[in-house]
Amino acid sequence: GAGVSQSPRYKVTKRGQDVTLRCDPISSHATLYWYQQALGQGPEFLTYFNYEAQPDKSGLPSDRFSAERPEGSISTLTIQRTEQRDSAMYRCASSLARGGETQYFGPGTRLLVL
Amino acid sequence: AQTVTQSQPEMSVQEAETVTLSCTYDTSENNYYLFWYKQPPSRQMILVIRQEAYKQQNATENRFSVNFQKAAKSFSLKISDSQLGDTAMYFCAFMQRGLIQGAQKLVFGQGTRLTINP
Repeated sequence: GAGVSQSPRYKVTKRGQDVTLRCDPISSHATLYWYQQALGQGPEFLTYFNYEAQPDKSGLPSDRFSAERPEGSISTLTIQRTEQRDSAMYRCASSLARGGETQYFGPGTRLLVL
Repeated sequence: AQTVTQSQPEMSVQEAETVTLSCTYDTSENNYYLFWYKQPPSRQMILVIRQEAYKQQNATENRFSVNFQKAAKSFSLKISDSQLGDTAMYFCAFMQRGLIQGAQKLVFGQGTRLTINP
């Protein structure tokens, strides 16, 4: 596609519910990243994929967070048993390859946990 | 671990003026990349400029240029002839070069909110 797309753009959920966020990267890009951005702060790394492989999960805040990219293109980020502190903007980015390529960001999904 | 610091939470200038945003970083690595991203009110995240640490020449993109001081670990962004559309949050970011664990993530500063006044 022309750019990175994410859905939904906004999600309101109740505490304890599970949510799944979707990212569709630029079609030629092998590498996909997830970041979490709290209000008024810079994005923080969660995890990344190189094709289907997930070499680094070090930024995932707890085992309630998981991500998949089963066919090496679209990725999902799932948050189980959401908590109010999970409220944030979740950003996806993609790059042509890993190792220094520029990351291009999607519009983000704003998650609000009530 | 690498850290990025932006010491100016907010800045405000008049249209057509030149403004410089500051960024410092801390790393023990020698090979890395530095970026400035812009986040306008739409909350998109847009790449402004990129610098490879092994290049001594400062990167430029039209009205945007950087002053990269490797020894001082400083990476400032200069916006010349500022325009109303430059109003945004600006984030400085660091990425380690290579394929080792942890090298692929961007490490962001806290951001500087820039307002261009008419």
